[in-house]
Formats: sequence, C-alpha cells, structure tokens
Amino acid sequence: DAGVIQSPRHEVTEMGQEVTLRCKPISGHDYLFWYRQTMMRGLELLIYFNNNVPIDDSGMPEDRFSAKMPNASFSTLKIQPSEPRDSAVYFCASSLQGRGNYGYTFGSGTRLTVV
Amino acid sequence: DAKTTQPNSMESNEEEPVHLPCNHSTISGTDYIHWYRQLPSQGPEYVIHGLTSNVNNRMASLAIAEDRKSSTLILHRATLRDAAVYYCILRDVSTAGNMLTFGGGTRLMVKP
Repeated sequence: DAGVIQSPRHEVTEMGQEVTLRCKPISGHDYLFWYRQTMMRGLELLIYFNNNVPIDDSGMPEDRFSAKMPNASFSTLKIQPSEPRDSAVYFCASSLQGRGNYGYTFGSGTRLTVV
Repeated sequence: DAKTTQPNSMESNEEEPVHLPCNHSTISGTDYIHWYRQLPSQGPEYVIHGLTSNVNNRMASLAIAEDRKSSTLILHRATLRDAAVYYCILRDVSTAGNMLTFGGGTRLMVKP
C-alpha cells in the first residue's frame, strides 16, 4: 500500500487566494482526519469523516475552511480566502474503524505558506 | 481523551536503551495507551499501543504500570534515526471515531 497520499507537498499562495489541499486515504480505511500543525499550537484536529460523512468539524477555525469527502478514496480541505495566519503544515490521516485499538496512518503533509 | 504528562525533552546516547515516561493518572478502564512519533519534516507515525499488558513490536516495547497510571516506551537501542518527538496519547476503546488528541510530546535527542 502506498500509504496516505497528500498533494501538493508545498503550496505558496498570496493572501486572499483559494487553496485546495488533497488527500487519498488508505484503501479500506473508514475514518479520515485532517490535522493542522503550527509551532505555537502543535497538532490540532480540524475535522474527521466516517464513511465519507463529516462527523465532527468543531476544530475548523472559521467559515473560510471547508472540507469534503465525495468518495472513499478522496478528500479535500479548502481555504477561501486564505490568510497569512493559515500558514502551517496540514496532515491527513486515515484509520480503520476508529476505535481505540487501531492506529492512524498519516500522510507526509502539505506545507502551506500564505504571503 | 484523558490527559497525559510527558517530559518536554530527553537525551540519549546512540546504541543505548531509552525509556520515555508518560503519566496518565486519570486513565479510565476503556482507555488504550497509544504512542506515536514524529520525525523531522514528516507526519506522525504509529509506534505501539496497549491496554493492560506489556507489548512488544519491531519498533519498541511498551511497559504499562500495574495500576495503569503510567507507562514507558522503551527503545532498546537508540539510533540517530530515532531522534523525534514522541507522543503518548489515550484513546477510549469504547467510542468509535474517538480522535487522537496530541499534546506536546517528548523531544528525544540522540547523540552519536
């Protein structure tokens, strides 16, 4: 298995532009998670899906952020409009069944820089 | 998730064993103890997990105290590649979809 695949690896954009981050989970995994990592706040959960349905989006910072999972093999995290404070590394992770006795597999992340 | 407490940083010499401690005094009976690590410029990586008994895998060993209020991740022979931030996390086995909540972790430095 190729693992969790995220694209792009790096993204530099200007303030006000729309940014779309992409994630392909491991085949067969039924949970998908989006995390954000900054030096100040560490790793924060933004949103997670179960069987393509958003379950908890309480970590999404504001209405500028949205996430979708149109099918079991693809998810997007969109920021519109982007702001410099959105600069961070965004990780996608997937898991099987989501219970405490299963581990998560993380992607390599997308480093977003908003100038 | 119940909270865990870890030292901010630890140092080790290469090829020596490393014991990374974690306190979780408010652990409940349905909490699994998970360990992840994050190498520089990479996403977190699953290391090991356990409930009550000690666990071994190819990466590490997990020693769980009898009262489950603390645990120790053991790297038997540290290598330079083991330099990373190690996170100890509790996950409730009774709740589906219970997400991983990361704390600050322990930054392990390995000296040649």
